[in-house]
Amino acid sequence: SSELTQDPAVSVALGQTVRITCQGDSLRSYYASWYQQKPGQAPALVLYGKNNRPSGIPDRFSGSSSGNTASLTITGTQAEDEADYYCNSWDNINNVVIFGGGTKLTVL
Amino acid sequence: QVQLVQSGTAVKKPGSSVRVSCKASGGTFSTSGISWVRRAPGQGLEWMGAIIPILGTAKYAQKLQDRVTITADESTRTAYMELSSLRSEDTAVYYCASAIVGEWDLLNTMDVWGQGTTVSVSS
Repeated sequence: SSELTQDPAVSVALGQTVRITCQGDSLRSYYASWYQQKPGQAPALVLYGKNNRPSGIPDRFSGSSSGNTASLTITGTQAEDEADYYCNSWDNINNVVIFGGGTKLTVL
Repeated sequence: QVQLVQSGTAVKKPGSSVRVSCKASGGTFSTSGISWVRRAPGQGLEWMGAIIPILGTAKYAQKLQDRVTITADESTRTAYMELSSLRSEDTAVYYCASAIVGEWDLLNTMDVWGQGTTVSVSS
């Protein structure tokens, strides 16, 4: 079955750059969307399409895609960026939305 | 922009059913796509299914398609998710979310989320 694969955990030093990746066959046909979820809060969309940020999302968040891999990059990571990050995409084999397993980002 | 408000916490017995509501205010409702996503304790986000109200049709995750029903009432701008034959593994926070574009292959871009509804399943 189609799936999206993410590293379970990533850490980054305060102020440094971190890349979170998402791999899956569906990404060859569809852009990933990226979500940030902090404890006790609903997920929030941070990136979608080729490299689009919803209103209010800082420009330190950026995205890219190549082949079957989508990436979320945070440049100059802040303490408040510590959260779980999820990618998702449309799966046109099963006509469903699929989520990656999530990446827990720790800011050191 | 649309805002989504969900119904409150539910405590259920195994084998029973639960229905969670999601009321939209502002923005468009009928032409948007409303997804239901859950997060169980210690687990990641799981897409359960979605509906585009103006089409009146829903799509479901294969794992849940025998137990979940998603509907929408355009007159009250409310979407519903009903999950039957509840088991302990269904204990989770359930979210509704609205897509930026109401097209099936763009439903993954969910820009507005409800506040979440905790459903606990226990005997």
